[in-house]
Amino acid sequence: AQKVTQAQTEISVVEKEDVTLDCVYETRDTTYYLFWYKQPPSGELVFLIRRNSFDEQNEISGRYSWNFQKSTSSFNFTITASQVVDSAVYFCALSEALGSTLGRLYFGRGTQLTVWP
Amino acid sequence: NAGVTQTPKFQVLKTGQSMTLQCAQDMNHEYMSWYRQDPGMGLRLIHYSVGAGITDQGEVPNGYNVSRSTTEDFPLRLLSAAPSQTSVYFCASSYSRVSALTEQYFGPGTRLTVT
Repeated sequence: AQKVTQAQTEISVVEKEDVTLDCVYETRDTTYYLFWYKQPPSGELVFLIRRNSFDEQNEISGRYSWNFQKSTSSFNFTITASQVVDSAVYFCALSEALGSTLGRLYFGRGTQLTVWP
Repeated sequence: NAGVTQTPKFQVLKTGQSMTLQCAQDMNHEYMSWYRQDPGMGLRLIHYSVGAGITDQGEVPNGYNVSRSTTEDFPLRLLSAAPSQTSVYFCASSYSRVSALTEQYFGPGTRLTVT
């Protein structure tokens, strides 16, 4: 079973629309971290955010916001007023403090976001 | 600091050829790892190293060898390339295995095609 599920394979929106990318995770660990990465067409991985399992506060950074809900094991990412430059593949990832897998990142399969002008 | 560097950026191999993907970091990081990215699969861990002389397997190690003779370098070797190894390869590093929980630095990736 996937530890990180991104059910949306592809999303297309028109500029200025809001869009939410879903991420559901699975872990038995009580200490874990969740991440979002952006992969633009150029191919590099760009770190966006890290959230630890003890901090359920939502976070906002400019047009980006993240909603972490332990009750539903979700860590969703919303882009407000999307722009063409937001077009990219977005990955959600999980790291656990469990001894045998410490340091390993589990990635979801990614969501391809296309923003049309 | 150059961060994490990977060479080459692009490579085309024929089936059965061998090659080494290079990864280097100049941040004195102990923990280094290799991931492969396939369409629709996300990134998956191939091998990792917690320090010079110590390596271990990740989720998809078959067909790949690694070694860690220095702290700075963590090369990934394909002994006999197969079309199934066509992928984008990312190297990552972190100060330690524990700090890898919270922060990893990724290289720019190597796009490998095996024909």
